[in-house]
Amino acid sequence: DAGVIQSPRHEVTEMGQEVTLRCKPISGHNSLFWYRQTMMRGLELLIYFNNNVPIDDSGMPEDRFSAKMPNASFSTLKIQPSEPRDSAVYFCASSHGAALEQFFGPGTRLTVL
Amino acid sequence: GQQVMQIPQYQHVQEGEDFTTYCNSSTTLSNIQWYKQRPGGHPVFLIQLVKSGEVKKQKRLTFQFGEAKKNSSLHITATQTTDVGTYFCAGRGTDKLIFGTGTRLQVFP
Repeated sequence: DAGVIQSPRHEVTEMGQEVTLRCKPISGHNSLFWYRQTMMRGLELLIYFNNNVPIDDSGMPEDRFSAKMPNASFSTLKIQPSEPRDSAVYFCASSHGAALEQFFGPGTRLTVL
Repeated sequence: GQQVMQIPQYQHVQEGEDFTTYCNSSTTLSNIQWYKQRPGGHPVFLIQLVKSGEVKKQKRLTFQFGEAKKNSSLHITATQTTDVGTYFCAGRGTDKLIFGTGTRLQVFP
């Protein structure tokens, strides 16, 4: 298995631009998670899906952030408009169940200038 | 809401010394998991503990789950430079995992 796939691996953009991060979970996993990691705030859960349905989005910072999971093999995290404080590494993870072992993707390093 | 704290935040040790990180939850946990993140990498699952008082070993790593299921520890015996990284605990409360704040371990040769 290829593991969790994320794209792009690096993204540099200017403030105000729209950013879309993509994730392909491991085949057969029914839970998908989006995390943000910074030095200041550590690893934060933004949102997670069970069977493609958003279950808990309480970690989404504000309305500028949105996430979708149109099918079991694809999810997106969109930031519009982006701000410098959104600069972080964004991880996608998947698992067989919401409380089971999570497999993380390599992450997307986002820099907003 | 549920919080999971880890101490220490940072630990520098000489190669060969032991290392311990502690994880404390504000609420009782159903289970606890431990992850390791190498510098520049992503978190990788190490182990899961479920039972009160459970102890598990993986070579030089010993994991414990507290009797009250509100705390846990990871102990590394005789650290090696390959142990460098950040260690996270993740506790399950009601329906989701909450990751701890992490302990960054640096090992000097």
